[in-house]
Amino acid sequence: EVQVVESGGGLVQPGRSLRLSCTASGFIFGDYAMNWVRQAPGKGLEWVGLIRSKAYGGTTAYAASVKGRFTISRDDSKSIAYLQMNSLKTEDTALYYCTRGDGGYDMYYFDYWGQGTLVTVSS
Amino acid sequence: SYVLTQPPSVSVAPGETARITCGGDNVGSRSVHWYQQRPGQAPVVVMYYDSHRPSGIPERFSGSNSENTATLTISRVEAGDEADYYCQVWDGGSNFHYVFGTGTKVTVL
Repeated sequence: EVQVVESGGGLVQPGRSLRLSCTASGFIFGDYAMNWVRQAPGKGLEWVGLIRSKAYGGTTAYAASVKGRFTISRDDSKSIAYLQMNSLKTEDTALYYCTRGDGGYDMYYFDYWGQGTLVTVSS
Repeated sequence: SYVLTQPPSVSVAPGETARITCGGDNVGSRSVHWYQQRPGQAPVVVMYYDSHRPSGIPERFSGSNSENTATLTISRVEAGDEADYYCQVWDGGSNFHYVFGTGTKVTVL
């Protein structure tokens, strides 16, 4: 059974950093792109970024709203993806989901989602 | 950047058909995916590549995509279909990102 579990959320002050983890099981983690999607309270879904599989160079891409502040990495030996969030802003407050990307290169849809981890940025 | 527009809400009686639209400039040239999000739960993909239904999703769900509108159709609506629905596409190019629609709240009367 495919499972994706996020962790690491919490309350953090503006300008500080936080690292989220996404632990996966039930599939060959290294074969898939992993994405982060967030949802602010009462709002819609917003794609944050992705890390491609090693077969596609393990490269990353980010939404404009987080580019330069957030970094995604992966450890295929542990089946974990990370979201390093620096210079956090109040508008980064959201439930952060980790999702598996399936489909052709970059033409991904998100077929498995975790339950999310809540990040609250507030002083 | 690319924008996907959905109606904020759709109301439908049990047993009737709900049609949720997703409008975007020439969206018919892109692959559209649909997600269902029940209250307090994570999204679930209910349609991918316009009209492909994942295993476990009832045949009552169908999708189409043409010109400037993609549509998710739910036939014989049940109470359990009440949820928020989001469409999504990939926008490559210089502003690479994945775009979600604005979301539609489906209410079963």
